[in-house]
Amino acid sequence: EAGVTQFPSHSVIEKGQTVTLRCDPISGHDNLYWYRRVMGKEIKFLLHFVKESKQDESGMPNNRFLAERTGGTYSTLKVQPAELEDSGVYFCASSQDWGPQHFGDGTRLSIL
Amino acid sequence: TQLLEQSPQFLSIQEGENLTVYCNSSSVFSSLQWYRQEPGEGPVLLVTVVTGGEVKKLKRLTFQFGDARKDSSLHITAAQPGDTGLYLCAGRRDDKIIFGKGTRLHILP
Repeated sequence: EAGVTQFPSHSVIEKGQTVTLRCDPISGHDNLYWYRRVMGKEIKFLLHFVKESKQDESGMPNNRFLAERTGGTYSTLKVQPAELEDSGVYFCASSQDWGPQHFGDGTRLSIL
Repeated sequence: TQLLEQSPQFLSIQEGENLTVYCNSSSVFSSLQWYRQEPGEGPVLLVTVVTGGEVKKLKRLTFQFGDARKDSSLHITAAQPGDTGLYLCAGRRDDKIIFGKGTRLHILP
C-alpha cells in the first residue's frame, strides 16, 4: 500500500511569489490533514478535510493560505503571496475514520 | 504557550545506557501518542496510550501514561545507535493532533 505522498519535497521561492503544495493521501482515506513546522517550533495543525469538505480550518494562519480538496482525493495548499515567516516544513496526513494518522515526508518550503 | 512540554530537548548518551524522556501537560488528554521522526521523513506513530497508568512495551521501549492522563514517559533500555532520532509526544484533541517540540536523541556507538 502506497503511503501519503507529498510534492514537491523541496521548494525555494522568493517573497511575494506563489507556491502550491500537493498531497496525495492513502487510497480510501476520507480524512486529510495539513500540519506545519516552522523553525524552532512544534508541528502545528492547519486544517482537516473530510472528503472534499473542510471540517476544521482553525489552524490556518491567515487568508494567504488556501487549501482545496476537489473530488475528495488529493489536496493542494496554496500560499499567495508567500512571506518570509511561511518558511518551514509542511506535512500532510491521512486517516480512515478515527484511526491513526499517517504522515507524508513533508514539503520543505524556503522563502527568500 | 505550549500545551505539551517535552524534556530533555536534547540527549546524547553512549550505546548500552538507559534513558527516559518525559512529556508533560497541564491539560488532560484522552490519549497520548509517541512518534519517531527521521531526517527528511514524516513522524511515524510508535504507540498510543489511552488509560491512566497504562504501560506499553515495544521491544526495548517502554511507554507509560500518567494516572491523571496529563503526562507520559518513554524509557529506552540498552540504547543502540539505531535509536537515534527525534521522538515526539502528541495528544489528540477533537480530530487534530497536538505535538510537543520533541526530544532529539543521539546514541553514540
